[in-house]
Amino acid sequence: ETGVTQTPRHLVMGMTNKKSLKCEQHLGHNAMYWYKQSAKKPLELMFVYSLEERVENNSVPSRFSPECPNSSHLFLHLHTLQPEDSALYLCASSQYQGATGYTFGSGTRLTVV
Amino acid sequence: DAKTTQPPSMDCAEGRAANLPCNHSTISGNEYVYWYRQIHSQGPQYIIHGLKNNETNEMASLIITEDRKSSTLILPHATLRDTAVYYCIVRVDGGTSYGKLTFGQGTILTVHP
Repeated sequence: ETGVTQTPRHLVMGMTNKKSLKCEQHLGHNAMYWYKQSAKKPLELMFVYSLEERVENNSVPSRFSPECPNSSHLFLHLHTLQPEDSALYLCASSQYQGATGYTFGSGTRLTVV
Repeated sequence: DAKTTQPPSMDCAEGRAANLPCNHSTISGNEYVYWYRQIHSQGPQYIIHGLKNNETNEMASLIITEDRKSSTLILPHATLRDTAVYYCIVRVDGGTSYGKLTFGQGTILTVHP
C-alpha cells in the first residue's frame, strides 16, 4: 500500500449504470488528483482539488463528476459512460506548494460494456 | 512546465547499471527534474528529484548536467523488478503551484535475465 487507497480495484459497468470510484489518503496531503490512463496512452490529468476546492478541470465530459468532501477523500461519480471510457483511473495526492512528490494509488480498472 | 524528451525504450541486463537519459533543454531556473516509474497496471511511483545538484537515494541516482538541459537516471544494479515505464518530468515547486504533474510517453525499460 502506498498510503493512497482506491476502491474498487476492478469495475465492470453498463452504459446506463451509475457508479462511483473512491480514493482515500491519510498522508496529510492537501491536494488530490484524478488521472485517466487509456491503453498505450500517457496519463491524462482529469481533475485537481487543492484544499478541497476544484482548481482544474481538463475538459472532462460531464458524465464524470468529481467530489472532494474533505482533504482525505476524493470520489469520481460515473454515469452514462461510453465504451471508450474504459481505462485505468488513478488517484494521487501531494502536498500543496511542497517539494515532495506525488503518491499514487493502485488505480481502478474500469470496463464499460 | 518544460517539455522533456526520452527514448521510447531501452534494454538492460540484470545486475548491470541502467542509465536512462532525459533531455529538457527549455528548463527554467526554478524547475525541478522529477523521475517516476510505473510498473504494469500500477500507479506511478516516485523515484527521485533534483534541482541542479546530483542526488542519490536508496532507489537511484540522478545526474543533472551543469547547464541543466539534460539528466540521467541511474539504477546501479538493475533487477527484473525494475522493468517498468520511466517518466522524466520537469515542474515548478513551491509558490502558488499545486504541483500538477504532466506525464509524457516515458521510456520502457526492460531488464533481461
